[in-house]
Amino acid sequence: DIQMTQSPSSLSASVGDRVTITCRASQKISGYLNWYQQKVGRAPKLLIYAASSLQSGVPSRFSGSGSGTDFTLTISSLQPEDVATYHCQQTYSSPPTFGQGTKVEIK
Amino acid sequence: QVQLVQSGAEVKKPGASVKVSCKTSGYIFTGYAMHWVRQAPGQRLEWMGWIIPDSGNTKYSQRFQGRVTITRDTSANTAYMELGSLRSEDTAVYFCARSYLGGFDFWGQGTLVTVSS
Repeated sequence: DIQMTQSPSSLSASVGDRVTITCRASQKISGYLNWYQQKVGRAPKLLIYAASSLQSGVPSRFSGSGSGTDFTLTISSLQPEDVATYHCQQTYSSPPTFGQGTKVEIK
Repeated sequence: QVQLVQSGAEVKKPGASVKVSCKTSGYIFTGYAMHWVRQAPGQRLEWMGWIIPDSGNTKYSQRFQGRVTITRDTSANTAYMELGSLRSEDTAVYFCARSYLGGFDFWGQGTLVTVSS
């Protein structure tokens, strides 16, 4: 199975800050990388698919980039409603696997 | 609007089985694969398997092979996930999720399954 590793595991930033989360795959996955946002007690929500495509209805402050093994999720200006855990997921090969999550808090 | 509504929380004893349902609405059920993903306390999301509702074809994670069965009822627009030989480590929230463009674009609300003697 492909292992997905996110960093950091948690972060605290101020409202308006630029936040970057990274995700590394244990082997090349081309652009088959998705990002999800999960708020406490809720199901995950798809933010970014195919590494850089913004899911419909997701604010434009979210963006994704990367290819191969290294990927990033960027929040250009952190908002209070962005407090959540963010997960990356590869769908290059079966089984699809997820990162361990990055918890984002407001400072 | 697209909705995936799962069945309610379950408490099971070790060795028992649990069957979770995922009733869909707002889209053509047979047009999209359906996945099942679980999240144990403090653990990462874990994919269990999927079904193609049109054909009924399934694929399961090796970790659950032999213990999990995913089925569907196209007349009811509903998918099901049954997990057998439950152990305490299977205590988790179980989600159904629709497949689209390589991602999982709509999710059920989750079903908590607690395994305890």
